[in-house]
Amino acid sequence: DQQVKQNSPSLSVQEGRISILNCDYTNSMFDYFLWYKKYPAEGPTFLISISSIKDKNEDGRFTVFLNKSAKHLSLHIVPSQPGDSAVYFCAASSGTYKYIFGTGTRLKVLA
Amino acid sequence: NAGVMQNPRHLVRRRGQEARLRCSPMKGHSHVYWYRQLPEEGLKFMVYLQKENIIDESGMPKERFSAEFPKEGPSILRIQQVVRGDSAAYFCASSLGGGNSQAFFGQGTRLTVV
Repeated sequence: DQQVKQNSPSLSVQEGRISILNCDYTNSMFDYFLWYKKYPAEGPTFLISISSIKDKNEDGRFTVFLNKSAKHLSLHIVPSQPGDSAVYFCAASSGTYKYIFGTGTRLKVLA
Repeated sequence: NAGVMQNPRHLVRRRGQEARLRCSPMKGHSHVYWYRQLPEEGLKFMVYLQKENIIDESGMPKERFSAEFPKEGPSILRIQQVVRGDSAAYFCASSLGGGNSQAFFGQGTRLTVV
């Protein structure tokens, strides 16, 4: 039972444009959401998070939007850069340490 | 301040052997988590430990897998009598506290069972 879903396994975007990565979840008890970025042969690196009491959190070029009624969150990267090419994982937790991860979306930013 | 250190980075074991994966958390972190990533899948929670205690091992396979985090030294994930299906990347993470404390991940150990 996949509680956190990333339905797009891959995404290609031109440099300078916006990248939008999507994530859906099924468990209404989740109250904390995170995005991690992963390069090949490296561990996941924390990118940005959002609590369920908010609907938006922004950090530089990265913005995460949360739509609780739709159980959907998205990560926007503007402008996209070639160095952003990586696999992005969405994760969720319900007030505990146990993160439930999605299967990831591979982003490729074309120069 | 060194990050989460995992070793070895790559480990090859024959079927039936034992695999030991080590994780040294970030300095000052007493909470350690182990995750497994199978090919083409996301990371799956395995176990959560604090110093000398297993808090949650609900993601651990019932047999052959064990984890510890002794008072001194790194956390160890031990897999006995490895099988081909154990081949995966194993990631360790640590955090300052529990709850929604941000977890920092190590670079992972890639286990290959031949």
